[in-house]
Amino acid sequence: DAGVIQSPRHEVTEMGQEVTLRCKPISGHNSLFWYRQTMMRGLELLIYFNNNVPIDDSGMPEDRFSAKMPNASFSTLKIQPSEPRDSAVYFCASRGSQGALGNQPQHFGDGTRLSIL
Amino acid sequence: AQSVTQPDIHITVSEGASLELRCNYSYGATPYLFWYVQSPGQGLQLLLKYFSGDTLVQGIKGFEAEFKRSQSSFNLRKPSVHWSDAAEYFCAVGASRAAGNKLTFGGGTRVLVKP
Repeated sequence: DAGVIQSPRHEVTEMGQEVTLRCKPISGHNSLFWYRQTMMRGLELLIYFNNNVPIDDSGMPEDRFSAKMPNASFSTLKIQPSEPRDSAVYFCASRGSQGALGNQPQHFGDGTRLSIL
Repeated sequence: AQSVTQPDIHITVSEGASLELRCNYSYGATPYLFWYVQSPGQGLQLLLKYFSGDTLVQGIKGFEAEFKRSQSSFNLRKPSVHWSDAAEYFCAVGASRAAGNKLTFGGGTRVLVKP
């Protein structure tokens, strides 16, 4: 089975440029999560979607960050304009339907390593 | 709000020795608990999970974890470590569906394996 697919795996760009990270969740999963991982702050949840609808974006650092999920098989995380402090590894995760117990695990992609110069 | 503490930032263990990684959580209701492993350059892979029932849960790669409600702990163990177990390990607690189903991760424990 294909897991969560993220692209690109690595991105290096100059500050001020727009950055778009992409994620394809596992087929049939109805929840999607975007995380950021840094040495200083560890793993932080940025935003998550249920059935393509953003549920909680309280972790999005500022207005320069935006996320969309136009359909069940694709999501983007955009940073515009980018800044050096945005350098991090960004992970996408997806999860199947929670059912009555609400206990399905999240499955992670391999991440996008973003470097803003 | 839920929280997770992994007291050990780094652990070094000899190959073949046993390993125990500590995890303490704070959550007001019955927690959903997870252990993930992250190898360099990779995403997080689920090792095991606990929701209810038997407090000793078995996972992949020979790992197990024990839920102790009285101690608010969910420690991960492996009887005999292999060099390939060198990685970073994350404990996470999940909120109920009513609370948004979010995962809160601990800071991670990096495991180094000596030959």
